[in-house]
Amino acid sequence: AQKVTQAQTEISVVEKEDVTLDCVYETRDTTYYLFWYKQPPSGELVFLIRRNSFDEQNEISGRYSWNFQKSTSSFNFTITASQVVDSAVYFCALRMNRDDKIIFGKGTRLHILP
Amino acid sequence: DTGVSQDPRHKITKRGQNVTFRCDPISEHNRLYWYRQTLGQGPEFLTYFQNEAQLEKSRLLSDRFSAERPKGSFSTLEIQRTEQGDSAMYLCASSLRQGGSGANVLTFGAGSRLTVL
Repeated sequence: AQKVTQAQTEISVVEKEDVTLDCVYETRDTTYYLFWYKQPPSGELVFLIRRNSFDEQNEISGRYSWNFQKSTSSFNFTITASQVVDSAVYFCALRMNRDDKIIFGKGTRLHILP
Repeated sequence: DTGVSQDPRHKITKRGQNVTFRCDPISEHNRLYWYRQTLGQGPEFLTYFQNEAQLEKSRLLSDRFSAERPKGSFSTLEIQRTEQGDSAMYLCASSLRQGGSGANVLTFGAGSRLTVL
């Protein structure tokens, strides 16, 4: 079965702190894709990153970075020097290559306190 | 390109009534997805279309739910005889499926929030 687990339901940090959101996935497929989406209070899911299972290179985009480790089936997301505008719910998601739908985790609600 | 549009944004109805939601995808996108999101949960897949063909339906989509995409452009999701358990945010997303492998990225609309009293 395919599954995405985001064990952290809610996290609060003070502005400018770094924060890491954990994501663990389960799949027996060898080819799959991992995603992170952000859902701000407005409600619209915003795409952040896609990573395929053959590309384990970590990625950095500004204050955002992602750590993909197949050995532990994890795809963690770190925000460096957090800002209040980063407050949102963040979803990790999985899609198998043979499938056409994305499976989402339950999300982590991130509060950045001023 | 105005993104994915959903209408209405909010709907309050009484139990037993029928409701219909509309989704207008990004014009060049050939795939359209419906998801449902309840409070504190991630989006759950309901169904998706490639052009006008409905290719997959989730077990979550009971007989009271029907989705259409008649001309391969906009889509409607109808819920008949609504129940209080249907209260949720209904999200529409679209993507461009191109030949070959590669996971298409879904672009989501703002959602239609349904409250069943």
